[in-house]
Amino acid sequence: GAVVSQHPSWVICKSGTSVKIECRSLDFQATTMFWYRQFPKQSLMLMATSNEGSKATYEQGVEKDKFLINHASLTLSTLTVTSAHPEDSSFYICSARPGQGFVNTEAFFGQGTRLTVV
Amino acid sequence: GENVEQHPSTLSVQEGDSAVIKCTYSDSASNYFPWYKQELGKRPQLIIDIRSNVGEKKDQRIAVTLNKTAKHFSLHITETQPEDSAVYFCAVHNYGQNFVFGPGTRLSVLP
Repeated sequence: GAVVSQHPSWVICKSGTSVKIECRSLDFQATTMFWYRQFPKQSLMLMATSNEGSKATYEQGVEKDKFLINHASLTLSTLTVTSAHPEDSSFYICSARPGQGFVNTEAFFGQGTRLTVV
Repeated sequence: GENVEQHPSTLSVQEGDSAVIKCTYSDSASNYFPWYKQELGKRPQLIIDIRSNVGEKKDQRIAVTLNKTAKHFSLHITETQPEDSAVYFCAVHNYGQNFVFGPGTRLSVLP
């Protein structure tokens, strides 16, 4: 199966600072990447969808100026949480959907990043 | 948009018994239905999936059944083992759209 690597796996930051999370597809080109947020004991909630070379599409209620997404290449998407606050503390997971060579509906998940804002 | 419900939210079974989790969805155009297992602090792992042109699929102790008319699909785990304890999420996908996840079911297999 395809491998998606997410980094870092956990991060603690001070309130007001920014944090960048990377999502890389290691052995395939990801035409589409998704960013999810998961609060404790809850399901995965889609934050935004990014396609390589174009602006991300954000879900309703997600602040695009706070959660900056850059999908600059077919193997890398980044999520930057700007001016983080304690309520942004959560588990962030990316997933990537391959282009050619895979069934077009499959998606593969990164390991997730646990963000704690203090 | 798509609305996915999942029941039960928690499920406890004795080791060796069967477990069944059911999901319902609203968009009749949805055509791909995966099930994910997520252990604490880890990424979701695909355990089985089914497409809209199939009614049932089985992989060893795990099976999924799909009723497109009624818009529901179910995960069946037989001969449960303690290592099956986790949170299970169903998801619904329509080609070209995003995955929508169910709220999850916490399965506990008691030894």
